[in-house]
Formats: sequence, C-alpha cells, structure tokens
Amino acid sequence: DIQMTQSPSTLSASVGDRVTITCRASQSISTWLAWYQQKPGKAPKLLIYKASSLESGVPSRFAGSGSGTEFTLTISSLQPDDFVTYYCQQYNSYPYTFGQGTKLEIK
Amino acid sequence: EVQLVESGGGLVQPGRSLRLSCAASGFTFDDYAMHWVRQAPGKGLEWVSGISWDSGSIGYADSVKGRFTMSRDNAKNSLYLQMNTLRAEDTALYYCTKGREMEPAVIDYWGQGTLVTVSS
Repeated sequence: DIQMTQSPSTLSASVGDRVTITCRASQSISTWLAWYQQKPGKAPKLLIYKASSLESGVPSRFAGSGSGTEFTLTISSLQPDDFVTYYCQQYNSYPYTFGQGTKLEIK
Repeated sequence: EVQLVESGGGLVQPGRSLRLSCAASGFTFDDYAMHWVRQAPGKGLEWVSGISWDSGSIGYADSVKGRFTMSRDNAKNSLYLQMNTLRAEDTALYYCTKGREMEPAVIDYWGQGTLVTVSS
C-alpha cells in the first residue's frame, strides 16, 4: 500500500502569510493526488485534484504542485477562514490513502 | 443539488454486524463512482472503500478487507456498506461520498456522515 506523509502536522502562521504544506508518497503516484480542507464539525471540501488542478469555486490563493512522490499545497495569502485542517489523498491505486492531516493554526 | 444521506449507524457490540445505507439524489447516480470514508473521533480521514459506476471495480482499505462489503443499487440510487465482525477501532463517523466526473477516485461531494460506535 502507498503511505502518505504530510508535514508539518501543525503549522502556525498569521493572516496574510504564505504557507506551504508538503505531502510525500511512499512510491511514485504520478500526479494522482488531491487536497481537501476540513473545517471543524464539517465534511471535507475538495480543493485540488490531479496535483495542481483547482476545483471550481476554490479561491485562487490555493495552489498545488508536484509529481512522483513529493507534492505541495501552497496558500498564498492566508485568510481567517483558512485556519483549519488539510489532507492530501493519493488515488494512484487501491487502497486510496490519506495523509494524516495538517492543522493550520493562528500564530 | 447533490445530496447524500447516510443511515444505519448506531451502537453495536464487538463482533456484530451493521449495514450502512446512503441515499443519493441530485445527480445521475449510475454515472459516478462512490466511496465510503470514515473519521474516528478526533482523528484524520481514512478511505474505507470505493466502487465504480457499474460495480465492476471495488476496492477496500486493508483494515476492513474481508470484513466489509460495499455495494450499490443503481435502480434505487443507493449505496451500501455491510460491516461484519466489527471492532472497537471501527468506531467512526462514516461518510458517503461521490466521485468526481472524469476523476472518479476524487471526492467532490460528501454526506454529513453516520456515526458507528463499536462497544460492549
């Protein structure tokens, strides 16, 4: 099975900052990677698919990049609503697996 | 509007069975892959199982393989998860989710979830 490792687990930042979250796969997954955002008590929301494709309606301050085994989610200018938890997910092969999550906290 | 409504959760003893259902509406159900994703209290997301539009391809997480069976009834716009030999570690909120058009393994809609608690 493909293991997904996100770093950091927790990230402290301020409104307006640019931040990057990293997701590493235990083997190559090409660009079969998605990013989700989850607010407390809510179902996750799709942000990015195929490593860098922005889902419709998602603000352009979110950007994904990477291929193979290393991927990043960058938020260019943090807004108050962005201080929640983010997950990557590989869908190269069954079983699809999520990273453990990155919680973005206000500094 | 896409709606996914899960049902069937509850408190169950270890070793027993439970069947989750998901009623889908607002889209052409038999055009899309579907998935179950779970989240234990205070923990991260875990993909549990996925099924293609025609049930021709079904996958499972290692943690549930051999115990859980996913199925769908396209005539009823419904998705199911039969869970057998339940364990305490299966305690979680179970989400019914829809695969994205052209990217069936990507989840673009989520239900609100149904809570399964495995405890004696």
